[in-house]
Amino acid sequence: DGGITQSPKYLFRKEGQNVTLSCEQNLNHDAMYWYRQDPGQGLRLIYYSQIVNDFQKGDIAEGYSVSREKKESFPLTVTSAQKNPTAFYLCASSSGTSGSGETQYFGPGTRLLVL
Amino acid sequence: ELKVEQNPLFLSMQEGKNYTIYCNYSTTSDRLYWYRQDPGKSLESLFVLLSNGAVKQEGRLMASLDTKARLSTLHITAAVHDLSATYFCAVRTLEYGNKLVFGAGTILRVKS
Repeated sequence: DGGITQSPKYLFRKEGQNVTLSCEQNLNHDAMYWYRQDPGQGLRLIYYSQIVNDFQKGDIAEGYSVSREKKESFPLTVTSAQKNPTAFYLCASSSGTSGSGETQYFGPGTRLLVL
Repeated sequence: ELKVEQNPLFLSMQEGKNYTIYCNYSTTSDRLYWYRQDPGKSLESLFVLLSNGAVKQEGRLMASLDTKARLSTLHITAAVHDLSATYFCAVRTLEYGNKLVFGAGTILRVKS
């Protein structure tokens, strides 16, 4: 089955700790995205990547870092500089071809909680 | 900067009734998306609207786009309980890439 997987489903972070959220897709999509969702709010873009070895900051990149070494993978690291990391993190991907409307498809999400 | 506003933010409706969710956006865009989110779950793509006057329908949901008014609507016909969810519209910016700006979402509760 083609799709997007995220792990873990729940993640607990201690103060001062860096944690990494995994996102993998087997849809052969070029573009991948990370969003943050706070309770009762819409999604805000953290980082996105349109091609391997390239990525750009979104609207709320401070305190986060990413890498895109493989087409299938786009891990997100929440660093200790992110002072309020508790949120639902969603990874998405899109094909980048205009015929599909470039719809972004979302993974199941990771819920990050601070201890 | 592109801003996206949805209204209402919360909608409680009886089964069998019709209602419309509105999505306004502030600057020119070339496509608009509607997503559904169930509590604690991820987002599911419903519709993508690519041109002025576009209309898409799936079951009891119908979405339309007026690019001149910068307005999209999601119309619910004869609501059923299974439609209870949060609905988001998202608008693609023309600034760079495929960046989407999301509305705050409309929480829909359909009462039996």
